[in-house]
Amino acid sequence: DVKVTQSSRYLVKRTGEKVFLECVQDMDHENMFWYRQDPGLGLRLIYFSYDVKMKEKGDIPEGYSVSREKKERFSLILESASTNQTSMYLCASSRTLWTSGSTGRAHEQYFGPGTRLTVT
Amino acid sequence: RKEVEQDPGPFNVPEGATVAFNCTYSNSASQSFFWYRQDCRKEPKLLMSVYSSGNEDGRFTAQLNRASQYISLLIRDSKLSDSATYLCVGLGGYNFNKFYFGSGTKLNVKP
Repeated sequence: DVKVTQSSRYLVKRTGEKVFLECVQDMDHENMFWYRQDPGLGLRLIYFSYDVKMKEKGDIPEGYSVSREKKERFSLILESASTNQTSMYLCASSRTLWTSGSTGRAHEQYFGPGTRLTVT
Repeated sequence: RKEVEQDPGPFNVPEGATVAFNCTYSNSASQSFFWYRQDCRKEPKLLMSVYSSGNEDGRFTAQLNRASQYISLLIRDSKLSDSATYLCVGLGGYNFNKFYFGSGTKLNVKP
């Protein structure tokens, strides 16, 4: 069974604090993702990584950074937390995206349990 | 326009009913789609993959209509435990390396 774990289920931080959210997967997946989920907005991609030390911006990277020093671990960093970053943060991992040529096929993502972050 | 769009619902159905959700996508070149189920305050979990024309797993059937660019999820003989939010996912980005999630369709199955 694929297992994706996140460091905290619930976190409360103050405005301006630096926040670290950790994600670890145990299936040797190449790709890892960070999303946030807000009511009415669905899941929005913050950053993703397709290899160690590689990262790409998602749709809402502002105010966030990431780090992937080891294949199994992907960290999300809020440099200076703000109240509008109060949200559910979900980490996901998947096997490499391309299966062959340009078929556009992909492997499914597996999610961690999420971290509910409140910034006061 | 969003990459993937869904009717948010809620769909309120009695036990035993058949219910269908549709999801439209904008990237005509995408060939991978997924349906995820998400329970309240939990993470999304994969329900079905849809790579070609469709997929069936027990009471669940997913179909892909390329001409009209939508995928559907059919649930037969609904159970109370099917109550959840169902997320449609398609691929996009310049290299099909981004997963785009719909906002989800909420299903309530009533006794």
